[in-house]
Amino acid sequence: DTEVTQTPKHLVMGMTNKKSLKCEQHMGHRAMYWYKQKAKKPPELMFVYSYEKLSINESVPSRFSPECPNSSLLNLHLHALQPEDSALYLCASSQGRISSNEQFFGPGTRLTVL
Amino acid sequence: ELKVEQNPLFLSMQEGKNYTIYCNYSTTSDRLYWYRQDPGKSLESLFVLLSNGAVKQEGRLMASLDTKARLSTLHITAAVHDLSATYFCAVEEKLVFGQGTRLTINP
Repeated sequence: DTEVTQTPKHLVMGMTNKKSLKCEQHMGHRAMYWYKQKAKKPPELMFVYSYEKLSINESVPSRFSPECPNSSLLNLHLHALQPEDSALYLCASSQGRISSNEQFFGPGTRLTVL
Repeated sequence: ELKVEQNPLFLSMQEGKNYTIYCNYSTTSDRLYWYRQDPGKSLESLFVLLSNGAVKQEGRLMASLDTKARLSTLHITAAVHDLSATYFCAVEEKLVFGQGTRLTINP
């Protein structure tokens, strides 16, 4: 298995909803990432997990809450989002620093906040 | 703060022509990545460049890295329509991206 999967593909939620994005990889990678990408812009890093521990939080608002239940899974819990949070959310994984650290991206979840 | 700048940001070219996309970055780094993104899709890894003077080629695309000049290039040879996409360079382990170059190849 050489891919990163993400569910759901599309998500529409209201500002009072609570939802979760899921990401899974079975490549034995030990680093996993969440990125946010607005239309016609480059991806922006949100969080990095290394060996299941949060290593980087790029000053992301607390309405986004990441979780790494095990080395293959990464979740992003969403609560009280704003319409400006609408974007494509990309998950990625990599082997980690000991290698080239090439990141492999999932297909993304397109989130719309109403 | 690390800054990554690509140019051009938009490129329209004819099939069969050659062109180069440039990626400049502001601080010392030994890792540079090139990605391709089709509209509405995710990012596809093209090249990983890990040392000064590194050159990699895949089909009609060739990437190089000059760490002393803090410059990477992505060269397109004899462009074909299928190469139309947005191309991003990124630096460092946590991937600081350039703005992207939107490439359109016309028949």
